[in-house]
Amino acid sequence: ETGVTQSPTHLIKTRGQQVTLRCSSQSGHNTVSWYQQALGQGPQFIFQYYREEENGRGNFPPRFSGLQFPNYSSELNVNALELDDSALYLCASNLAGAYGYTFGSGTRLTVV
Amino acid sequence: KQEVTQIPAALSVPEGENLVLNCSFTDSAIYNLQWFRQDPGKGLTSLLLIQSSQREQTSGRLNASLDKSSGRSTLYIAASQPGDSATYLCAEQGVRSQGNLIFGKGTKLSVKP
Repeated sequence: ETGVTQSPTHLIKTRGQQVTLRCSSQSGHNTVSWYQQALGQGPQFIFQYYREEENGRGNFPPRFSGLQFPNYSSELNVNALELDDSALYLCASNLAGAYGYTFGSGTRLTVV
Repeated sequence: KQEVTQIPAALSVPEGENLVLNCSFTDSAIYNLQWFRQDPGKGLTSLLLIQSSQREQTSGRLNASLDKSSGRSTLYIAASQPGDSATYLCAEQGVRSQGNLIFGKGTKLSVKP
């Protein structure tokens, strides 16, 4: 059984650019969620995807968008990057209706 | 606004001590509470999940309890070891969060040899 894998592990972008982060969910899981964790803070919920549609969203602006593919993998896209977008981005998967989430190792995004 | 609060924010203990980490939450209708471990710059490793119908869960030297009526959970670590040094996060999943996780800021634990 493979866990949740994220790529890339680290990324440096310039303010105003766009970025795409990728996530492969754990085998058997059909729901993917994305979280943003700023330094010294707990993760904050960005959004969740189920059956390729957004199924819930936290307090993040529309320039944060996502996709889920038929194989349940997912992308997080952020447009018009701001310095405050610098954070660890975590992907989590679970099976809809079941308890508990499995997290990936995260992508560290630095915006300069 | 739903909140999850963890106390203390940081804790330093000598090796071998038993310790308790605290987590409080405001959602009165939770599905479950989950404890995670996070090493510096890394992702989250799930330690224990307590469903709303349960009062505690145990795994090795770890024991987590849940008291929904008071909105509290504790993580007990027995015979701490330097390898336990990490940040411990609790997260609740409930009706008001629409099933998504609400995290505390974590407790940074340092176990000295």
